[in-house]
Amino acid sequence: GEDVEQSLFLSVREGDSSVINCTYTDSSSTYLYWYKQEPGAGLQLLTYIFSNMDMKQDQRLTVLLNKKDKHLSLRIADTQTGDSAIYFCAVYNYGQNFVFGPGTRLSVLP
Amino acid sequence: GAGVSQTPSNKVTEKGKYVELRCDPISGHTALYWYRQSLGQGPEFLIYFQGTGAADDSGLPNDRFFAVRPEGSVSTLKIQRTERGDSAVYLCASSRQTGELFFGEGSRLTVL
Repeated sequence: GEDVEQSLFLSVREGDSSVINCTYTDSSSTYLYWYKQEPGAGLQLLTYIFSNMDMKQDQRLTVLLNKKDKHLSLRIADTQTGDSAIYFCAVYNYGQNFVFGPGTRLSVLP
Repeated sequence: GAGVSQTPSNKVTEKGKYVELRCDPISGHTALYWYRQSLGQGPEFLIYFQGTGAADDSGLPNDRFFAVRPEGSVSTLKIQRTERGDSAVYLCASSRQTGELFFGEGSRLTVL
């Protein structure tokens, strides 16, 4: 089945850019997602990209997809302390379930 | 409702007891998913409904776990003879046929 991997921790300084990476195994994945989870809260959908795209920008967020390498990244520009959270990559194919990575804990240092 | 609603938000039970967790999806969403999230881990798939039927229940860990969605809207996850290892946050999510998956806040289950 699908396997989704992420590095577990990332620390950045406030104002810098953060880049969170994700790799997956199923090349037929149709949608690829980034979710944010703050302590004690549910998962909040941040953005997603369809597999026929290679980039999507939404305000401070930029998603890059390299289908050949099965690599997805999320760049957060001008990272703020409120961005500190766990970020989950997830992949989906029609008629199947959504498969999540283990999450990357982003710490933003003042 | 405006979002996915899950009840109870917290449930503490004793080993061996039966529990039910309820999920009320976003109105009009035909797909409903249950996930389980243990501390420090990503959501782990349990079961997925398309309408009233379970389209994929391959993630249910054993036959103590069961879920229903009798009218294609509200779903109940049922856990029999609870064990300490069942302690986790149980997340429900709903979506339209394809696309975005919206999560509820979860039901935190603690088995003593």
